[in-house]
Amino acid sequence: SQTIHQWPATLVQPVGSPLSLECTVEGTSNPNLYWYRQAAGRGLQLLFYSIGIGQISSEVPQNLSASRPQDRQFILSSKKLLLSDSGFYLCAWGDRVAGGRETQYFGPGTRLLVL
Amino acid sequence: QQQVKQSPQSLIVQKGGISIINCAYENTAFDYFPWYQQFPGKGPALLIAIRPDVSEKKEGRFTISFNKSAKQFSLHIMDSQPGDSATYFCAASGNYGQNFVFGPGTRLSVLP
Repeated sequence: SQTIHQWPATLVQPVGSPLSLECTVEGTSNPNLYWYRQAAGRGLQLLFYSIGIGQISSEVPQNLSASRPQDRQFILSSKKLLLSDSGFYLCAWGDRVAGGRETQYFGPGTRLLVL
Repeated sequence: QQQVKQSPQSLIVQKGGISIINCAYENTAFDYFPWYQQFPGKGPALLIAIRPDVSEKKEGRFTISFNKSAKQFSLHIMDSQPGDSATYFCAASGNYGQNFVFGPGTRLSVLP
């Protein structure tokens, strides 16, 4: 069965510090991978998605970046965090069901607080 | 065209009642509609999903109703329980490279 991991679970960082969040998927190969951000009590904002190693698409221009160094590893980074980067970060992988349609499965999330 | 609308934004239901959440879409290329349940501090979890070749799908107390002509689908939670209190997201996915699109979410509170 497939499993998705995210770490750390919680992170408190000062403004201007760098960020690295990691996501790994087990039990599948060549998945679509996604980073979402969720503000408190709000919906899911798609940040980045990747269809393969080194292939990253950005949905929202900002001071965050993503990389996919391995097939089942997805990393979210920032060189200098802003207060507005606080939120709940979710990684998801896409499972292609019949006919090319996709269902997404989410990791446990990382709670980021920028002070 | 890519948007999925969801209502209500929040819902309060008494224990044992029926919770109904509605979603609507515009893009006819969408042809797969999952629902997700999210508890506070957790990632969303797939709850139930439907394809437009059926008008209804039931799994336990959860039922999706689908109206293809109206481009609407809804989640019904029968005999709602306090443990069902969570945020529910509808979503739409399609073939031909359509992105996966989420509704804005509905916060459900089931009172004991």
